[in-house]
Amino acid sequence: DTAVSQTPKYLVTQMGNDKSIKCEQNLGHDTMYWYKQDSKKFLKIMFSYNNKELIINETVPNRFSPKSPDKAHLNLHINSLELGDSAVYFCASSLYRTSGPYQETQYFGPGTRLLVL
Amino acid sequence: GQQVMQIPQYQHVQEGEDFTTYCNSSTTLSNIQWYKQRPGGHPVFLIQLVKSGEVKKQKRLTFQFGEAKKNSSLHITATQTTDVGTYFCAGRYSSARQLTFGSGTQLTVLP
Repeated sequence: DTAVSQTPKYLVTQMGNDKSIKCEQNLGHDTMYWYKQDSKKFLKIMFSYNNKELIINETVPNRFSPKSPDKAHLNLHINSLELGDSAVYFCASSLYRTSGPYQETQYFGPGTRLLVL
Repeated sequence: GQQVMQIPQYQHVQEGEDFTTYCNSSTTLSNIQWYKQRPGGHPVFLIQLVKSGEVKKQKRLTFQFGEAKKNSSLHITATQTTDVGTYFCAGRYSSARQLTFGSGTQLTVLP
């Protein structure tokens, strides 16, 4: 009954390969995110989807392409992997509220540790 | 762009000592959240502060939001080895959908 799950947990691959990371949440949230965390622990938002619609698209190389088939899933496909893509990728989800006490807690998945050789 | 600065980046303390991490924004925040990430783990929500001057406590942790809603702090009293991890603040600006995370403070507690 994991709230936010990601697969795979570890990914070791060669430069130039294409890989995908999958994320699923069972919290009934309508917003999902991808973050990249580098070796210095800095968390950088990459993308966000709300109800399958892309709402945040930070400055990320277009080798990265997110896809949200439904509200509960957000996948990340990476083409032509580079050494600098090595990082931990976290998926997160939240429930967007437009009124009332505003608390948009983000629930993070366990992370996918990507190593590009 | 809008940034949330967090200091210090690293902090080593002896078990039993206090610890504080600070976050600062140049512009007013709507609210600020704090997260903890254990080594090898993922960020976990701790608390949200919304009101100007708000102070909240969770056992040995005290969270403050500045009067101008531009800064925040997390203070841990009498640290324990279980406090080890990286603490992130994450601010929300009224014009933005996403949280802006601080760079984190990595806390090491020496037994």
